[in-house]
Amino acid sequence: AQSVSQHNHHVILSEAASLELGCNYSYGGTVNLFWYVQYPGQHLQLLLKYFSGDPLVKGIKGFEAEFIKSKFSFNLRKPSVQWSDTAEYFCAVKTGTGGFKTIFGAGTRLFVKA
Amino acid sequence: SQTIHQWPATLVQPVGSPLSLECTVEGTSNPNLYWYRQAAGRGLQLLFYSVGIGQISSEVPQNLSASRPQDRQFILSSKKLLLSDSGFYLCAWSREQGRYGYTFGSGTRLTVV
Repeated sequence: AQSVSQHNHHVILSEAASLELGCNYSYGGTVNLFWYVQYPGQHLQLLLKYFSGDPLVKGIKGFEAEFIKSKFSFNLRKPSVQWSDTAEYFCAVKTGTGGFKTIFGAGTRLFVKA
Repeated sequence: SQTIHQWPATLVQPVGSPLSLECTVEGTSNPNLYWYRQAAGRGLQLLFYSVGIGQISSEVPQNLSASRPQDRQFILSSKKLLLSDSGFYLCAWSREQGRYGYTFGSGTRLTVV
């Protein structure tokens, strides 16, 4: 069965530190990949997405993610985090074989110290 | 622009009572609609999805049901709540089977006591 693994459940960083959140999935075919973010007290929202083309995708607020097909990975990065990046981040994968199922990872809680 | 509304925001219900959570989408037609449950440390679990009026697909067996009486309305229901139904429920909509991602509602925190 398809699955999505996020390696870190909790991450604590100081402001200006670099961020990389790992995401791996298990599916050998075409995929659409997503990162969602949930800020404290707010609803879940799309941060960035990949469905074709350049494997390096850029999202809002300076985030980017790189799709490495050979590693089944879609890691989220930001060169310099801010206190306002404190949130929970979810990786999600939709397989390209049709159907409506998008599988979510368990989430990573990021806390940025001011 | 498209918006999604979900209510109520919080709900406390006794065991054995019925449940009805409502979700409506504005600004689009024929959306794909979803109900997810979010559990801390476990991500989001897809409960139901719908591609059209009256068309419901269930992903996991459970004490819940869903209905889509109108194009932009999606309802999550239960006849008799269990303690294990407590959780955070999210409604979402998408185009093209979710290929471009979902737009989520603000969620309902359900506590069964």
